Amino acid sequence: GESVGLHLPTLSVQEGDNSIINCAYSNSASDYFIWYKQESGKGPQFIIDIRSNMDKRQGQRVTVLLNKTVKHLSLQIAATQPGDSAVYFCAESLPGNNRLAFGKGNQVVVIP
Amino acid sequence: KAGVTQTPRYLIKTRGQQVTLSCSPISGHRSVSWYQQTPGQGLQFLFEYFSETQRNKGNFPGRFSGRQFSNSRSEMNVSTLELGDSALYLCASSLGSKQTQYFGPGTRLLVL
Repeated sequence: GESVGLHLPTLSVQEGDNSIINCAYSNSASDYFIWYKQESGKGPQFIIDIRSNMDKRQGQRVTVLLNKTVKHLSLQIAATQPGDSAVYFCAESLPGNNRLAFGKGNQVVVIP
Repeated sequence: KAGVTQTPRYLIKTRGQQVTLSCSPISGHRSVSWYQQTPGQGLQFLFEYFSETQRNKGNFPGRFSGRQFSNSRSEMNVSTLELGDSALYLCASSLGSKQTQYFGPGTRLLVL
């Protein structure tokens, strides 16, 4: 992805372990949050989203947690696999607005 | 269902030239958003189109423009190219506001 080469926070995780990726968002008024995964040379791929009226949402092997008090979002990946190696972005949007504001990204490296 | 497609995938231009990039959204999606991705600035919102109308615009100079056609296909144009316009340009489509945005593979533009 485009963030490779830039010094991104990197999480190295053993295959089969759980991963937790954190994101601090900027606007307390944001009402929609989304996680994307981007592999090198590809566009961002949707993982999971959550609206501000929820604090937890689960998908297949992934869970997103939202803490509005401290403006914090996290993505948990269960049983991390080599194919999970990528850059992960969180994004937020304001009410009445489809515009996404992205975080800088977190690099996840899965060690076989 | 086919995903978001973008053409061309790669482009090399020289300073002062102009460029037009194309995006075909997922069938049935009426919202198309454009983003610029660079190592230094990350993913930044350019504009969003819905039903042929620009609904939202990011903080980019007027050299960046776009349009949407009645079939929801969208184009963006950059005039008087500068070296700093070298980036990955991503298009995302969604059914509407606050619906999941799905990204295409991007057009990688290099300005020499």
